[in-house]
Amino acid sequence: SQTIHQWPATLVQPVGSPLSLECTVEGTSNPNLYWYRQAAGRGLQLLFYSVGIGQISSEVPQNLSASRPQDRQFILSSKKLLLSDSGFYLCAYTQGWKTQYFGPGTRLLVL
Amino acid sequence: SQQGEEDPQALSIQEGENATMNCSYKTSINNLQWYRQNSGRGLVHLILIRSNEREKHSGRLRVTLDTSKKSSSLLITASRAADTASYFCATDAASNFGNEKLTFGTGTRLTIIP
Repeated sequence: SQTIHQWPATLVQPVGSPLSLECTVEGTSNPNLYWYRQAAGRGLQLLFYSVGIGQISSEVPQNLSASRPQDRQFILSSKKLLLSDSGFYLCAYTQGWKTQYFGPGTRLLVL
Repeated sequence: SQQGEEDPQALSIQEGENATMNCSYKTSINNLQWYRQNSGRGLVHLILIRSNEREKHSGRLRVTLDTSKKSSSLLITASRAADTASYFCATDAASNFGNEKLTFGTGTRLTIIP
């Protein structure tokens, strides 16, 4: 069966520190992968999506970046975190039909 | 701008009653989906309705789609306390062919009072 993992589950980081969030998918090959951010009580904002290894599309200009070093691995990074980067980060994948399957999320608090 | 916007933003009903949420969108779509999110968790897909469909059922869920009004509704019948969650619509815009992106609405926070 297909599963999607995200870690860490929660993270508290000081302003200006680097960030690396990881997402991995099991049980499927060549999925489309997505990173979203959700502010408290709000909808989802698409940050990046990838249709293949090394292929990244950015939706919103910001100080975040994404990479896909392997088929089922998607990484969200920042060199220097801002207070405004706080939020709930969700990774998702699609396989075939356009239904998206979401990971459990990472809650990031930047202080 | 937001493609999908849910209405109302928050809804509280008694257990056993029916809950109706609405979603409006702006551009032509290939399909529209509804997702559920429990607090602090990832989203879970509930149902997908294609642009050429008008109504779809899944268990206690009923979804309608009116492409002329660019709107959809989600009806949950005989609500249960476990239905308490946020519900989001997501649209696959017709212009997104090949990109497989969804645009999510702002969500309706549903609270079922036991």
